[in-house]
Amino acid sequence: EVQLVESGGGLVQPGGSLRLSCAASGFTFSTYDMHWVRQATGKGLEWVSGIGTGGETYYLGSVKGRFTISRQNAKNSLYLQMNSLRAGDTAVYYCARGDSIGFAPWGQGTLVTVSS
Amino acid sequence: QSVLTQPPSASGTPGQRVTISCSGSTSNIGSKSVYWYQQLPGTAPKLLIYNNNQRPSGVPDRFSGSKSGTSASLAITGLRSEDEADYYCAAWDASLSGWVFGGGTKLTVL
Repeated sequence: EVQLVESGGGLVQPGGSLRLSCAASGFTFSTYDMHWVRQATGKGLEWVSGIGTGGETYYLGSVKGRFTISRQNAKNSLYLQMNSLRAGDTAVYYCARGDSIGFAPWGQGTLVTVSS
Repeated sequence: QSVLTQPPSASGTPGQRVTISCSGSTSNIGSKSVYWYQQLPGTAPKLLIYNNNQRPSGVPDRFSGSKSGTSASLAITGLRSEDEADYYCAAWDASLSGWVFGGGTKLTVL
């Protein structure tokens, strides 16, 4: 069974840092693009970042320079290093597998709260 | 303000046909494939339609997608109570070099 499990969310002060992880299983991780998508409470989905099989990275404009996506294929893991966090970054962060058919599946999400 | 525009709400009675629109531009829908996601209350999103009109295995044929120019639509026929959810369209945006989503449409089954 294909599964994605996020971890690392929590409460952090404005200006702080947090590292999210996504553990993948049930598929050959290294052959898929991977993405982070977030959703603020009561709001819509917002793509945050993606990483290709060759390590190429893509970012939402508002997180460029603050967030870094990475992957460790040997550990079947995806990461999102988030620095200089702002209140507007508060959301549930989902990791999702990406390929030609879109984002599928999605993990259950991890909540990031940026507040003093 | 989302790059892709969807109506915030839609509704229908059981058995009815409902459509949800998604409007974009030449840099996204006009030149790239459209994807639709369903998010049931309290759960993670699930892929519903890919490449404008293709259904992943397991998605009922009551769900269909279409695209024309810079707009796309999701149609649901034979509406059921379990279809009550939020629906999102998405596409790659060549100008932004990133994925963009619609603001979502909350579907209510009356």
